[in-house]
Amino acid sequence: GENVEQHPSTLSVQEGDSAVIKCTYSDSASNYFPWYKQELGKGPQLIIDIRSNVGEKKDQRIAVTLNKTAKHFSLHITETQPEDSAVYFCAAAFYQKVTFGIGTKLQVIP
Amino acid sequence: GAGVSQSPRYKVAKRGQDVALRCDPISGHVSLFWYQQALGQGPEFLTYFQNEAQLDKSGLPSDRFFAERPEGSVSTLKIQRTQQEDSAVYLCASSPVDFSTDTQYFGPGTRLTVL
Repeated sequence: GENVEQHPSTLSVQEGDSAVIKCTYSDSASNYFPWYKQELGKGPQLIIDIRSNVGEKKDQRIAVTLNKTAKHFSLHITETQPEDSAVYFCAAAFYQKVTFGIGTKLQVIP
Repeated sequence: GAGVSQSPRYKVAKRGQDVALRCDPISGHVSLFWYQQALGQGPEFLTYFQNEAQLDKSGLPSDRFFAERPEGSVSTLKIQRTQQEDSAVYLCASSPVDFSTDTQYFGPGTRLTVL
């Protein structure tokens, strides 16, 4: 089955700096890569996603890149704000099966 | 509009008890997913429904776990003879289309603690 590795597990940045989270996946059949933000006591919320026919996607301060050959994908958050503090999960999906990474706890220090 | 709701939000059970967890998906959503999230881990897929049909139950950890969605809307995850290792947050998600390659909307989860 699919295996998704995510790092780092924790990340502290100063407000205004950038944050980068990296993931790798094992199954070349995976074709959809969503990123979720989870705040304490809440369910994950989709923040951005990318499909296998696209190499990069940007939405305001958030961008994702995908390297299908290397089976790598990354999340970039620019100009971080305290409200960006949360746990971020990458995931790889093929049809109904979604495999999540272990999560990255991001702390933005004011 | 209303999102995915789950009840109860917290459940404490004694080992050996049966529990039932409810999920109310967004109205009209075709797909419904259940996940198990252990402390400090990412969600792990349990099972998937397309309307009332359970198309994939490969993630259910044992035959003590059973899920149903009889009318294609509300779903119930039942755990029989609960064990301590069943302690986790159980998340439900729904999607308007029939595959996962679209946004899944998650509920807040039910935190199950087995004593």
